[in-house]
Amino acid sequence: QQQVKQSPQSLIVQKGGISIINCAYENTAFDYFPWYQQFPGKGPALLIAIRPDVSEKKEGRFTISFNKSAKQFSLHIMDSQPGDSATYFCAASIARGNTGKLIFGQGTTLQVKP
Amino acid sequence: NAGVTQTPKFQVLKTGQSMTLQCAQDMNHNSMYWYRQDPGMGLRLIYYSASEGTTDKGEVPNGYNVSRLNKREFSLRLESAAPSQTSVYFCASSENPREQYFGPGTRLTVT
Repeated sequence: QQQVKQSPQSLIVQKGGISIINCAYENTAFDYFPWYQQFPGKGPALLIAIRPDVSEKKEGRFTISFNKSAKQFSLHIMDSQPGDSATYFCAASIARGNTGKLIFGQGTTLQVKP
Repeated sequence: NAGVTQTPKFQVLKTGQSMTLQCAQDMNHNSMYWYRQDPGMGLRLIYYSASEGTTDKGEVPNGYNVSRLNKREFSLRLESAAPSQTSVYFCASSENPREQYFGPGTRLTVT
């Protein structure tokens, strides 16, 4: 069973703090690791993604750190803002077959307190 | 450009009733997907269609059927709804096999 395990389930951070969400995977064939952001009542939207040939990718306040040997990757939100309050999902996929199938983690609900 | 649209937004069914969830995309994407989202379970793939005319099972296909009506539309059918199918259902589409665009979801309750 291909799995992606995500933690923590929920996270409360003060405005300006750093939010960190972790994911671990089992299948070494995974070669694409996106993070999706979902606001209440909306569908998920792609936030940032990384391939295993790099150890870090940064877009604005959002950074993915990737540890291939440990089969782990994490999302860091710097200077967290109340507008970042949402549910975050990590995911993984395999290029083989080009079907685009994503395996999602369980999700983390982030609350940023003003 | 509406992206991915889903109908209905909300639905209540009694056990044993049937219904079809509709999904359409206007981005000319080849691939389309149906997911269900349950608390603590993330998003789980029900069925997907890599291209017009093809469909394949995902992680949790039991109790569901799909139809890729044309390149734009991908419907999900519950033939005999069960309480275990109470969930939020999302349709998604993609051209790049990596980035998926999600619709707003259908909240389904089966009593």
